[in-house]
Amino acid sequence: QQQVKQSPQSLIVQKGGISIINCAYENTAFDYFPWYQQFPGKGPALLIAIRPDVSEKKEGRFTISFNKSAKQFSLHIMDSQPGDSATYFCAASSGVGAGKSTFGDGTTLTVKP
Amino acid sequence: EAEVAQSPRYKITEKSQAVAFWCDPISGHATLYWYRQILGQGPELLVQFQDESVVDDSQLPKDRFSAERLKGVDSTLKIQPAELGDSAMYLCASSLPRGRSHEQFFGPGTRLTVL
Repeated sequence: QQQVKQSPQSLIVQKGGISIINCAYENTAFDYFPWYQQFPGKGPALLIAIRPDVSEKKEGRFTISFNKSAKQFSLHIMDSQPGDSATYFCAASSGVGAGKSTFGDGTTLTVKP
Repeated sequence: EAEVAQSPRYKITEKSQAVAFWCDPISGHATLYWYRQILGQGPELLVQFQDESVVDDSQLPKDRFSAERLKGVDSTLKIQPAELGDSAMYLCASSLPRGRSHEQFFGPGTRLTVL
């Protein structure tokens, strides 16, 4: 049973456009929701993260929107640039126990110049 | 800037052979994770260490996989015998203890191909 579902699988956006990636989770014990960016041949790197006590967090061109009642959260990339072309993963973890992280299956973003 | 080190970066082996991967976490990071990432999927946790102790290995195929972190610093993940389905990227990550930070820092991974 997949606990974190991510969509779309792939996304093509023009330079300057807005990229939106969505995730839905099932486990209400999750209390930390990060987004990771992964370039080919590299490990994932933390991009931005949010806790469920806030509905939005913004860092530069990257914003997380969080809807606790719907158990959904999304990543918005404003003014998308070709350098943003990468695979993006959402994840969720719980403070219960060891704090294991569960990842979505990823979204491959291509920003066309 | 401190980074998680992994070696080798690439490994090609034949099925039924043994393989081992090494990870050196960021200095001071007590928590160490091994993930398997199959092409087109997100990382899946195999094992999590807190210092030298295993805190979660529920997804580790224990009949063929083993992991150790003897001195609570670097770690080794072993597969014996390797199977075709083990072809994947093996990622190591480290973090401060959960009460201090959630952020996980990933290494570059080891790409394993089993022929």
